[in-house]
Amino acid sequence: QVQLQESGPGLVKPSQTLSLTCTVSGGSISSGDYYWSWIRQPPGKGLEWIGYMYYSGITYYNPSLKSRVIISVDTSKNQFSLRLTSVTAADTAVYYCVRGRFWFDPWGQGTLVTVSS
Amino acid sequence: DIQMTQSPSSLSASVGDRVTITCQASQDISNYLNWYQQKPGKAPNLLIYDVSNLERGVPSRFSGSGSGSDFTFTISSLQPEDIATYYCQQYDNLPYTFGQGTKLEIK
Repeated sequence: QVQLQESGPGLVKPSQTLSLTCTVSGGSISSGDYYWSWIRQPPGKGLEWIGYMYYSGITYYNPSLKSRVIISVDTSKNQFSLRLTSVTAADTAVYYCVRGRFWFDPWGQGTLVTVSS
Repeated sequence: DIQMTQSPSSLSASVGDRVTITCQASQDISNYLNWYQQKPGKAPNLLIYDVSNLERGVPSRFSGSGSGSDFTFTISSLQPEDIATYYCQQYDNLPYTFGQGTKLEIK
């Protein structure tokens, strides 16, 4: 059974870079069977798809974030990562890593990242 | 971006009731529509993919229907454990987008 776990700082200062890592257990990213995605949810609000990646390096990002986001993979560690630059308070959210490209399952438990000085 | 509009935004129903949530896309999305359940403080959970296909392990009281731009999610007999917020999601066009959610409460 595949499980995902997000990790990273819970507090980031405005204008800095948000960096999160998702560790996948129970399955291999490099098997090529799935795409892997990041989704976020501001407190009390709805869901926003950030982007996806494939183990080969294929990525696609939400145009609303495209200039600030990078999703990368480390197959040796069975991890994929999210970097979001120049953050503002509007980037405060629970960030989820998920398996999937068209539908998302399973999800990590999520990690709250607060942007504040 | 394709806008997904759910109705209602919140809903109060009694145990045993039949509950229906609608999701309307701003354009034709064929059958590229999924539904998720999010319980308080938890990550969303996939219930239905491609309009009407139940994810493994999902109770049969959940169902989905529709095509084009109008879709329906139904709980045939509401159970206390179904209290959650429900989201639709399209994947016809990038970027993938979600509805704003429907919060379901017990009356």
